[in-house]
Amino acid sequence: DSGVTQTPKHLITATGQRVTLRCSPRSGDLSVYWYQQSLDQGLQFLIQYYNGEERAKGNILERFSAQQFPDLHSELNLSSLELGDSALYFCASSPKPSGRARGDEQFFGPGTRLTVL
Amino acid sequence: AQSVTQPDIHITVSEGASLELRCNYSYGATPYLFWYVQSPGQGLQLLLKYFSGDTLVQGIKGFEAEFKRSQSSFNLRKPSVHWSDAAEYFCAVGPNTGNQFYFGTGTSLTVIP
Repeated sequence: DSGVTQTPKHLITATGQRVTLRCSPRSGDLSVYWYQQSLDQGLQFLIQYYNGEERAKGNILERFSAQQFPDLHSELNLSSLELGDSALYFCASSPKPSGRARGDEQFFGPGTRLTVL
Repeated sequence: AQSVTQPDIHITVSEGASLELRCNYSYGATPYLFWYVQSPGQGLQLLLKYFSGDTLVQGIKGFEAEFKRSQSSFNLRKPSVHWSDAAEYFCAVGPNTGNQFYFGTGTSLTVIP
C-alpha cells in the first residue's frame, strides 16, 4: 500500500459525459501527478500540481482539467468523453517538487479504471 | 527531447533463470533513473532508483540495475526469477530540473515453471 488513495476504482459512463476522479496523496506529500495508461499509448503524464498550483503539463487534452485543493487532495475532471478516453488513470504523489532537489520518487495509487461506452 | 525506450515489449523466462530488462534513455542533463513494477490490476511500485554515485543500484525483491552513461542505459537485472516476478516493468527518467517524469512503454514479463 503506497498511501495514495484513488476513488472510484471503476467508472463506467457514456460518450459525451463528464466524470471526476479523486486522489488523496500520501500524508505530507505536496506534489500530485496524474497519468493516463492505455494499451496503445502506454503511461502518459498528464499534469502535476504542487501545493495547490499547477507545476507541469504533459499530454493533457483541453477536455481534461485538474485541480488540487487546500487539503492537498486532487481531482481530475474529464468532459465530453470519447471512447478513446477509456483507460486507467493513475495518481501519484511525492514529497517535494522535482527540480528543487534530487529527483524524488513518485508513489502511485491503485488507479481508476474508466470505461466509456 | 527526453525519452525512454524499452526495446522489449514482452519477455518470457523460466523460473530460476536470470533476467535482464533493457532501458535506454535520451536526456539532455544528468538523469535520475527509476524502475517501477506493475502487477496486474495494481499501481506502480518503485523497485529502485539512481541519482548519483555508485552506478550499480540495489533495489527491492532482489533486483539491481546498472547505470551506463556511455551507453545511455539503465538495465534491470535479477539473478534468479521467481514466478511472482511476472508483471509489467517500467523504466522512467526524471528531471534534475523541471517536473516531468518520462516513462518507457513497459516490458511485460512472463515466468514459466
